[in-house]
Amino acid sequence: DTGVSQDPRHKITKRGQNVTFRCDPISEHNRLYWYRQTLGQGPEFLTYFQNEAQLEKSRLLSDRFSAERPKGSFSTLEIQRTEQGDSAMYLCASSLLEGEQYFGPGTRLTVT
Amino acid sequence: AQSVTQPDIHITVSEGASLELRCNYSYGATPYLFWYVQSPGQGLQLLLKYFSGDTLVQGIKGFEAEFKRSQSSFNLRKPSVHWSDAAEYFCAVVILTGGGNKLTFGTGTQLKVEL
Repeated sequence: DTGVSQDPRHKITKRGQNVTFRCDPISEHNRLYWYRQTLGQGPEFLTYFQNEAQLEKSRLLSDRFSAERPKGSFSTLEIQRTEQGDSAMYLCASSLLEGEQYFGPGTRLTVT
Repeated sequence: AQSVTQPDIHITVSEGASLELRCNYSYGATPYLFWYVQSPGQGLQLLLKYFSGDTLVQGIKGFEAEFKRSQSSFNLRKPSVHWSDAAEYFCAVVILTGGGNKLTFGTGTQLKVEL
């Protein structure tokens, strides 16, 4: 069990550019979650997948954000036309159906 | 909607002293409750969880938490703090809606340990 991994760990981009993050969950976990954490705050839910189906999206997930989990394994989170307000830590977590969530190390995004 | 309040933003304790971090939740039914710890630049590590049953739960690293329904609280305790416990601690709640078990987090408590 290698845990949840995320790539990259850090990303610096200029405003207006597109970025994509990847999350590899624990292999047998069928649920995958994305959260966003800004400085001084707790993580906030963005979206979750059960297998390959995206079942819920937060109102925080604007039209510039898209997430996929094409084969029910890894997931990607893309942000188009980044804005400075997108600067945050993006956390991925995975779980079994009703189990606790295990978090990855996060991707820290800085938009300049 | 459910919410989680962690009233202490920062706490400083001396190494070897006892610790209590406060957490209150707002919800009509009994939620599932969690405490996570986050070291700088790292993801979240689960310390302990409460689903049902015994209201005093034991976790990793010597931590425990007590669920008090009458006070809507789930405070985290440790009898003797170690310098390596310095980190940020988050209380979280899950409401089972038949859908995803999305976590709602408090704003966190930053723990500093003085040697």
